[in-house]
Amino acid sequence: QKEVEQDPGPLSVPEGAIVSLNCTYSNSAFQYFMWYRQYSRKGPELLMYTYSSGNKEDGRFTAQVDKSSKYISLFIRDSQPSDSATYLCAMSGLTGGGNKLTFGTGTQLKVEL
Amino acid sequence: EADIYQTPRYLVIGTGKKITLECSQTMGHDKMYWYQQDPGMELHLIHYSYGVNSTEKGDLSSESTVSRIRTEHFPLTLESARPSHTSQYLCASSEEGTRGFTDTQYFGPGTRLTVL
Repeated sequence: QKEVEQDPGPLSVPEGAIVSLNCTYSNSAFQYFMWYRQYSRKGPELLMYTYSSGNKEDGRFTAQVDKSSKYISLFIRDSQPSDSATYLCAMSGLTGGGNKLTFGTGTQLKVEL
Repeated sequence: EADIYQTPRYLVIGTGKKITLECSQTMGHDKMYWYQQDPGMELHLIHYSYGVNSTEKGDLSSESTVSRIRTEHFPLTLESARPSHTSQYLCASSEEGTRGFTDTQYFGPGTRLTVL
């Protein structure tokens, strides 16, 4: 069983929709949770990160972590065609001294006009 | 904005050739990483380095080797390329986390390798 599970999609939504992307994980040691966005033929770029449980908001993006359920989410409000990309969740259990990230497989999102 | 570069961006090469994938970063980061990414699969760490003259193998077994002679440079070498090496190779670097947050990894654009 994979440590991190993520629905690969593809997910297709109309412009302006609210998008919910999710990951589940099995390793209780994970404390740091990240969302990366990867455009076609590009490297991943960090979108948001959170520590432990709770919510974090940045513009149209909200990251949620529920450690009791081992479940994290990324919400995108008022989705735009420019949001079309693959979204990767990543997790880590260490701070400082170097971290190894465990990634999900990514969810491919397409926002249509 | 991250300044991490990878060359070449695309490489098509025949079986048995020796290849080196280049990765450079201008941010002065001590830590650098190589990941392998295949369609529909998660990123797998194949090598990492915590500083000059420090290299370690990652979680995914790889026939490639790396070197870290300069802080900014982390090349990956395949002595004899095979079709099974066909993949996307991503380089990343990170700095020490602050205020209790873990390191933030910055990724290069990737090298798409095809071995015929």
